[in-house]
Amino acid sequence: ETGVTQTPRHLVMGMTNKKSLKCEQHLGHNAMYWYKQSAKKPLELMFVYNFKEQTENNSVPSRFSPECPNSSHLFLHLHTLQPEDSALYLCASSQEPLVTGAGNQPQHFGDGTRLSIL
Amino acid sequence: LAKTTQPISMDSYEGQEVNITCSHNNIATNDYITWYQQFPSQGPRFIIQGYKTKVTNEVASLFIPADRKSSTLSLPRVSLSDTAVYYCLVGDGNTGGFKTIFGAGTRLFVKA
Repeated sequence: ETGVTQTPRHLVMGMTNKKSLKCEQHLGHNAMYWYKQSAKKPLELMFVYNFKEQTENNSVPSRFSPECPNSSHLFLHLHTLQPEDSALYLCASSQEPLVTGAGNQPQHFGDGTRLSIL
Repeated sequence: LAKTTQPISMDSYEGQEVNITCSHNNIATNDYITWYQQFPSQGPRFIIQGYKTKVTNEVASLFIPADRKSSTLSLPRVSLSDTAVYYCLVGDGNTGGFKTIFGAGTRLFVKA
């Protein structure tokens, strides 16, 4: 039990489908993050939410749309994805927002959603 | 622009001590050094964090020299289950902000 739960664990979708990834953290943290991990590439930070407000969009294409209704839940809405978007999508949370890089706030990660685009 | 440099891979045998060194020349004054472990198809797991000198917990030690431009993760008496990718993470010393830079990590393979 990591304290961060992601659903679904696996998702296969066509390029014209619309789907959503869900993340829930049970740790009482105030910051949440979406990362993308492609095969043989480092983790890429996509979005950062601090106290439900988006504070970072790391040049992510608009076909990825995040939503944070409260401090415990984070969604990633997917629409018209491309084959190169196939990857492991990881959600993370930290007690306080990261101010400069890693700072002193360890992040707690979920086990990710393995997304495959046909 | 890579902020950390680690060996791509390392091999070890069960029971040995493993030391993984990370270079971070552009570390900012207020940044901590954090190490994560990642198994296949799982998210990274926090291992240890430090600012300077030495930090030890139940799973690892972290050695940081005075100039803080590098750090060494030490895993005592590794087992097969320690086979994983290990990431060294520090702040973005050039731009600050909310950037979190994960490098390629070090793939540790522990053999019987």
